Amino acid sequence: DTGVSQDPRHKITKRGQNVTFRCDPISEHNRLYWYRQTLGQGPEFLTYFQNEAQLEKSRLLSDRFSAERPKGSFSTLEIQRTEQGDSAMYLCASSSGEGKLFFGSGTQLSVL
Amino acid sequence: GNSVTQMEGPVTLSEEAFLTINCTYTATGYPSLFWYVQYPGEGLQLLLKATKADDKGSNKGFEATYRKETTSFHLEKGSVQVSDSAVYFCALSESTGGFKTIFGAGTRLFVKA
Repeated sequence: DTGVSQDPRHKITKRGQNVTFRCDPISEHNRLYWYRQTLGQGPEFLTYFQNEAQLEKSRLLSDRFSAERPKGSFSTLEIQRTEQGDSAMYLCASSSGEGKLFFGSGTQLSVL
Repeated sequence: GNSVTQMEGPVTLSEEAFLTINCTYTATGYPSLFWYVQYPGEGLQLLLKATKADDKGSNKGFEATYRKETTSFHLEKGSVQVSDSAVYFCALSESTGGFKTIFGAGTRLFVKA
């Protein structure tokens, strides 16, 4: 068990570009979550998968954000036409359904 | 909607002092409650949890009791150490609907030697 891994660790992009992040959950976990965290704040829920089904998406999430989890394994989070306000740490977490979340180290996005 | 409110930081204590970090919640149904900790340079990790009213979660000398009547889950430790310096997040896991976990804003703790 190598834990939850996220790639890349850091991403710097120019405003208007598209970015994609990857998350590999703990292999036996069927639930996968994406959160966003800005400095001095707690993680903010973005979206959640159970196996390959996306069961919930935050109402705060614009249509520039999309996430997939093909085959119920790894997941990708894409942000289209990035804006400076998208700069944040993007966290992935997985769970076996008992409530305890296992977090990755996150992807730090900087939009210039 | 469901939410978590925790006391603002930073909290600065001397080693061996008593720690309390307050946390209250608003939720429908019967959520599970958690404290997560983020040490400098590390990812979030679970510290302790409680799944029903009057349950006490404990780990590494930290304790928190699920109080349904006051909708609270305050974190306590009798004697803090420098190594406890971190950011502490109170969280709830919904018991209905999406079962997502909602986090408070976090409380930074500094412990001085």
